[in-house]
Parts: sequence; C-alpha cells; structure tokens
Amino acid sequence: NAGVTQTPKFQVLKTGQSMTLQCAQDMNHNSMYWYRQDPGMGLRLIYYSASEGTTDKGEVPNGYNVSRLNKREFSLRLESAAPSQTSVYFCASSELTVPSDEQYFGPGTRLTVT
Amino acid sequence: EDQVTQSPEALRLQEGESSSLNCSYTVSGLRGLFWYRQDPGKGPEFLFTLYSAGEEKEKERLKATLTKKESFLHITAPKPEDSATYLCAALNAGGTSYGKLTFGQGTILTVHP
Repeated sequence: NAGVTQTPKFQVLKTGQSMTLQCAQDMNHNSMYWYRQDPGMGLRLIYYSASEGTTDKGEVPNGYNVSRLNKREFSLRLESAAPSQTSVYFCASSELTVPSDEQYFGPGTRLTVT
Repeated sequence: EDQVTQSPEALRLQEGESSSLNCSYTVSGLRGLFWYRQDPGKGPEFLFTLYSAGEEKEKERLKATLTKKESFLHITAPKPEDSATYLCAALNAGGTSYGKLTFGQGTILTVHP
C-alpha cells in the first residue's frame, strides 16, 4: 500500500495563477482532509470530506476549493494564488467518519507563490 | 479561543538522557488529545490518542500521559532515531459534527549519539 500520495511535491506559482493539488489514498478510508503548515502557526485545517460526496470548510478555507472526486481522491484548488498561500500542504485520511480517528498524512506539497 | 502550546520549542538530548515534552491545551470540551511525529520533509505520523485525564499510552521508548490541562510525552533512554518534531493536537466538541482539531507548533527534538 502506498498510503496517502500527493502530487506535485513542489510547485512555484506566480500571483494570480491557478493550480490543483492532487491527493489519493489506497486504504479505503472514508474521510479525507487538507491542511496547511506554516512556520510558527502549526497545522491548520482548510477543508475536509467526512465521506464520499460531502465536503465542509475547516479553519482557513478562504481562497481554496475542494472536490471529492471519489472515495480515493480529494483535490484542492487554488483559483487565484496569492503570496499568503505560500505554505506546505498536507492531505490526510482516516478510516472512520469521526474526527477522533487517527489520521494518516501524505508527504506534502511545498508551494511557493511569488 | 482554543489554544495548544508546546514546550520547549526545541530540546537537545544526549543518547540515553530521558526527558519530557509538554503540551498545554485550552479547549472547550476535549474529545481527544493526539500526538504525532514529523520527520523533516515528511508528513506527520500518528503516535497516540488520549481521551480522558489519567489515561496513559506507551510505544517503545515513548509514553504519553494526559491531565485536565496538559499532556506529556515522556521519552525514556532516547536514541538518535527519535530525533524529529513532535506535534500535539487537541480535538474539541466544536459547533459542528466535526469539531475542531487544534495543533500545537511542535517541539523539535534532537538526540545526539
């Protein structure tokens, strides 16, 4: 099992450009999450999908959209990138549709917006 | 406002020198306290979940404990491979079915041989 995979691993964008971060899990998990990690800020939840077909906002959803394409895949889209979105983005998944279940994280996407 | 504070920010130990990491939390209605390990350039790796004060969990050289205000991660006789950033996170009852998971900033642990 590959676990949680993310593409790309690195990306540089110019302000105003758009891009989609891809995430897939092969553990048949029900819930998936997108976080961003910034120095001094800790991990913060952007969006989550408790189960296939549902998505909900997390703590910092502004400037992002998500799509739960199927049970395996959960993508994060930046429509018009801003320098404030420079960060490391992590996708995670959990088996149960409850937030107390342990989450498995992907390796991250390091995004720089200039 | 929910807060999770980890101390110290960085900790340097000699191999075999036991110590503890602290995670202080202020959340409304704690539903779970999580510990993760994160290696440089990688995603966090789950270690423990604690649900109620007095609970303890162990894994190899690590032992996590929980009180009503804080959690400790005790590291006994650490080895260089225990070097990593350790994150704690508190899950509250929240206003939604999801609740809210608040992460601390992490403690960077370095174990020298």
